[in-house]
Amino acid sequence: GEDVEQSLFLSVREGDSSVINCTYTDSSSTYLYWYKQEPGAGLQLLTYIFSNMDMKQDQRLTVLLNKKDKHLSLRIADTQTGDSAIYFCAESIRDDYKLSFGAGTTVTVRA
Amino acid sequence: GAGVSQSPSNKVTEKGKDVELRCDPISGHTALYWYRQSLGQGLEFLIYFQGNSAPDKSGLPSDRFSAERTGGSVSTLTIQRTQQEDSAVYLCASSLASAQGRYGYTFGSGTRLTVV
Repeated sequence: GEDVEQSLFLSVREGDSSVINCTYTDSSSTYLYWYKQEPGAGLQLLTYIFSNMDMKQDQRLTVLLNKKDKHLSLRIADTQTGDSAIYFCAESIRDDYKLSFGAGTTVTVRA
Repeated sequence: GAGVSQSPSNKVTEKGKDVELRCDPISGHTALYWYRQSLGQGLEFLIYFQGNSAPDKSGLPSDRFSAERTGGSVSTLTIQRTQQEDSAVYLCASSLASAQGRYGYTFGSGTRLTVV
């Protein structure tokens, strides 16, 4: 994932909002994704946003996309202990078959 | 199947031995991918299959690594003469046609390989 960058760690208090940030470099991205990986498990698709959208809301999740700055964020409202996981940002690029992943942000929810 | 299935879930092997990791993708998914996740690292792309062909093997770290896919379904990743640096979680994913689209990939739970 050298084209997709994320901060590595985030600690948040239970009940607060979490914001995970991601930057990407390829302006021909079509879809951008957020995946969640719980301990010992594979990656689970949380949500996605199409590149012509600015925002997408899905229950406690809000995705914001700033195409000008190539910045993607995931906000988790009312963070719960079950939200503790590694969150990966990924992009798909037009005419490319594979996704490019960031290194993942480890979110720790403290009581 | 309902999801992507990988086996074994855990494998401990002695340095120098060969190992085979298996991936059974979602039925009807023509695209299959292998990634490697090392401790504290992101996802490292290894190989991509479209049907039984592998148009992109560029991520395989060395000639000790090989993969095949048969019947447009099950894939096997083989690591020969394993080394300690091969220790990692090997993730398989599948998708319809290609990664484009709202569904992205569906991942398996991975095989945790430990070389001692």
